[in-house]
Amino acid sequence: SQKIEQNSEALNIQEGKTATLTCNYTNYSPAYLQWYRQDPGRGPVFLLLIRENEKEKRKERLKVTFDTTLKQSLFHITASQPADSATYLCAPRNTGGFKTIFGAGTRLFVKA
Amino acid sequence: DTGVSQNPRHKITKRGQNVTFRCDPISEHNRLYWYRQTLGQGPEFLTYFQNEAQLEKSRLLSDRFSAERPKGSFSTLEIQRTEQGDSAMYLCASSSNLQGGVFTDTQYFGPGTRLTVL
Repeated sequence: SQKIEQNSEALNIQEGKTATLTCNYTNYSPAYLQWYRQDPGRGPVFLLLIRENEKEKRKERLKVTFDTTLKQSLFHITASQPADSATYLCAPRNTGGFKTIFGAGTRLFVKA
Repeated sequence: DTGVSQNPRHKITKRGQNVTFRCDPISEHNRLYWYRQTLGQGPEFLTYFQNEAQLEKSRLLSDRFSAERPKGSFSTLEIQRTEQGDSAMYLCASSSNLQGGVFTDTQYFGPGTRLTVL
C-alpha cells in the first residue's frame, strides 16, 4: 500500500538556522508533490508544489527538492524565524485518481 | 474570494446523535474534498466531489457517513448515530482542475469543524 513517512519527532532549531524536513514515500510514482503548513486548530495551507521533472523549487525562504530515484522530497526553510513554527505536511500525488494522501507531518519549533 | 468556510466551527454531541456539517468552497472551484484529522496525524481522505458528482469515497468510511453537494456549490457531511471514535477535526478543501492553464490539484482548506462526541 502507499506509504508516506515524515520525521515523526519534532524538529527544534535555533532562529536563523536552516530547517530541513524529510518526506519519504513508497509504492508511489507521483507526478508531483505538495507541501502544506498547518498551525494548531487550523486547516492546512498550501506552500509549494514540485513536479516529477523538477529537481528543485524555491519560493522566498523555502526550497523543495524532489528525488524520484530515492523517492524522497526535502523541504528547507532558510533563516528560520519563530513564526515558522508549525506542522509541515507533504502530499505526493499520482496523476489520475482523486485521492490525496498526506503524511502525518513534522512539527517544527524555532526558538528565538 | 473569501476562501473556504465551514460551519459550525465546533460541535459537541452525545453518542448516538446525528450531526451535519457544511462547507462553502471557493466559488470558482469545481472540486471539493472532505477529510478527517485526528491529533498527530495528517488529514485522512473521506470523499471527493467534482461539481455535484461524488466520484470517490474512502473504503474506510462507514455507511453512517454521507456527503452531498446538491448544486455543485456548497457541500454537507452528515454522520448518523455518532460514536466516540468519530471525534476529530473535519476538514473541507476545494480546488480547480486547471490553475494557470496547468493541471494541478492544489487544495485550499477551510478552518475545519471540530467534533466532540461524548
